Amino acid sequence: DVKVTQSSRYLVKRTGEKVFLECVQDMDHENMFWYRQDPGLGLRLIYFSYDVKMKEKGDIPEGYSVSREKKERFSLILESASTNQTSMYLCAIQEGHTDTQYFGPGTRLTVL
Amino acid sequence: QKEVEQDPGPLSVPEGAIVSLNCTYSNSAFQYFMWYRQYSRKGPELLMYTYSSGNKEDGRFTAQVDKSSKYISLFIRDSQPSDSATYLCAMSGPGGSYIPTFGRGTSLIVHP
Repeated sequence: DVKVTQSSRYLVKRTGEKVFLECVQDMDHENMFWYRQDPGLGLRLIYFSYDVKMKEKGDIPEGYSVSREKKERFSLILESASTNQTSMYLCAIQEGHTDTQYFGPGTRLTVL
Repeated sequence: QKEVEQDPGPLSVPEGAIVSLNCTYSNSAFQYFMWYRQYSRKGPELLMYTYSSGNKEDGRFTAQVDKSSKYISLFIRDSQPSDSATYLCAMSGPGGSYIPTFGRGTSLIVHP
């Protein structure tokens, strides 16, 4: 079974704080993704990575950055958290030949 | 027009009913079709995956793809209260290594 873990299930931060969300996979997949999910808006792609040290912007990268120093680990960074970044954050890996994605449990981030 | 359309619901049915969940899409190049189930405050989990047209059955679940109509369906037989969740469709293509496009999800409530 594919296993994707995220560092926290629930996180509360203050406006202006730097926030790190970490995602770890155990299946040696190249492709990793960060989404946020908000009611009525569905899944929105923030950043993705096809390999170590590679990153590509998704649909809504503003206010976020990412880091991928090791193949199994993909981090999402909020440089200065704002209240409009309160959301559910989901990490996913993708199988190359079928395009199926497997998601982590999600991190519910609240920015006060 | 969104690339993938999915009625948000909620769809409320009695236990034991046959449920039909649907998505329409506009990109005729899509070849890979997926259904995900997402329980409240959890990450989406892959339920069914289908390549190109046709039907696929897995227990109480049947996925159906009609590429000529650009329409996919997920049928749930003998629905249970534990099936209450949000169901997301996703599709990608024409080949492998494309990022899936997700529908916004349909909320299903199965009441005893």
